[in-house]
This record gives sequence, C-alpha cells and structure tokens, in this order.
Amino acid sequence: QKEVEQNSGPLSVPEGAIASLNCTYSDRGSQSFFWYRQYSGKSPELIMFIYSNGDKEDGRFTAQLNKASQYVSLLIRDSQPSDSATYLCAAFRSNFNKFYFGSGTKLNVKP
Amino acid sequence: DGGITQSPKYLFRKEGQNVTLSCEQNLNHDAMYWYRQDPGQGLRLIYYSQIVNDFQKGDIAEGYSVSREKKESFPLTVTSAQKNPTAFYLCASSEVWAATETQYFGPGTRLLVL
Repeated sequence: QKEVEQNSGPLSVPEGAIASLNCTYSDRGSQSFFWYRQYSGKSPELIMFIYSNGDKEDGRFTAQLNKASQYVSLLIRDSQPSDSATYLCAAFRSNFNKFYFGSGTKLNVKP
Repeated sequence: DGGITQSPKYLFRKEGQNVTLSCEQNLNHDAMYWYRQDPGQGLRLIYYSQIVNDFQKGDIAEGYSVSREKKESFPLTVTSAQKNPTAFYLCASSEVWAATETQYFGPGTRLLVL
C-alpha cells in the first residue's frame, strides 16, 4: 500500500465550477499535509499546507483535513483554464523528516 | 532573491558515463532532497540529507550517489550502474524537525540518455 493515494484522473470541470481533489494517506503518524500544483514539464509549486482538522482557506483554494478518516482534499472555486495542471498531495512525518507524495491528479478546466 | 537552483536544465548521458546534477539553495534550509519523476508518475525519493556531512538513502538510491559538504549544496551523481536514468530530477529543501515543515522545489533537471 502506498503511503499517499490519489486518483490519477483526469478530472474535467467547466470553467467557473468547483474542482474537488482528494487524497488518502496510510500513516497515522503523518502530521502535516501539502498540496502542490505541477504544470507539464515544470517543478511542483506549493499551493497550501494544512495540519489541523478542518478547513483552511486561501483565496480560491480550500484544503480540508480529516485525520480520523485519513483524508485530505483540495477545493478550487471558480476554476480557471490556468488551473489545468497535475495536483500532488504530500504527507510529512517529522520524526522521519520525510515527505510522502501521491502520484498526482490531473485536472482539466475547460473554457 | 531566495530559492533553489538546479543545473543544467537538460543533461545528456552516454552509456557507461557518470553525470552530476547540481543543486544549490540560499534559503538556509538544513534539509535537502533529491527526487526522481518519470512521465505520468509521482515523486520518488532518491536521497535526503538533514545536516552537513550526513545523508540517507531514499526509496530508489541504487545507481545514485550524493554528497553534502556544504549546507547550501547537495549534488547528485547518476552513475553508470543506474541502467534507466532517463527522468526529471527534482531537488528540494526544507527546514528540519518542525511539524509544519514546507518543502520547496528547484526547477528540475531533465536527464536523457544518448
């Protein structure tokens, strides 16, 4: 079992809709969780991180964490074609100082 | 202007050749990492280092070597023992030992075999 699992997609949404990206993790010792956006041929760029149960909002992005269910999600409101990319979920465990990455979900936002 | 630099952007390797990928950071981060990404795949950890002169193997260390002689630098050598080196190589850095560590990435090096 992989430490972090994501649906590879592609997830297609129309412009202006809400895109919902999901991620599950297996290690209950994971303490913080990250969402990265990766455009084709480029390196991942950090969107946001979350470490407390509940929601965290930053502009059009909302991260949600449910530690009991070992589930992390990213909502993108008012999706734009420029949001089309692969979104990587990562979990961090401080006693190992290691980040575990999912294989990413490809998002297509159609004009 | 703080960040992580990787060079070269593209690198070509001949059969039996060792090549070295450069990674430099001026973020004053203690930890540095090397990942490999294959097309359509996630990131796989090659090596990581939490402090100067110390490093640990990741999940796919075979055929690779690293050094950490300076805090700012973490070069990766792809040896001739790595039989399938064609991939996108990403260097990253972060602080150490805090529960809310954030990892930042360099622009990557694309390695191709001639």
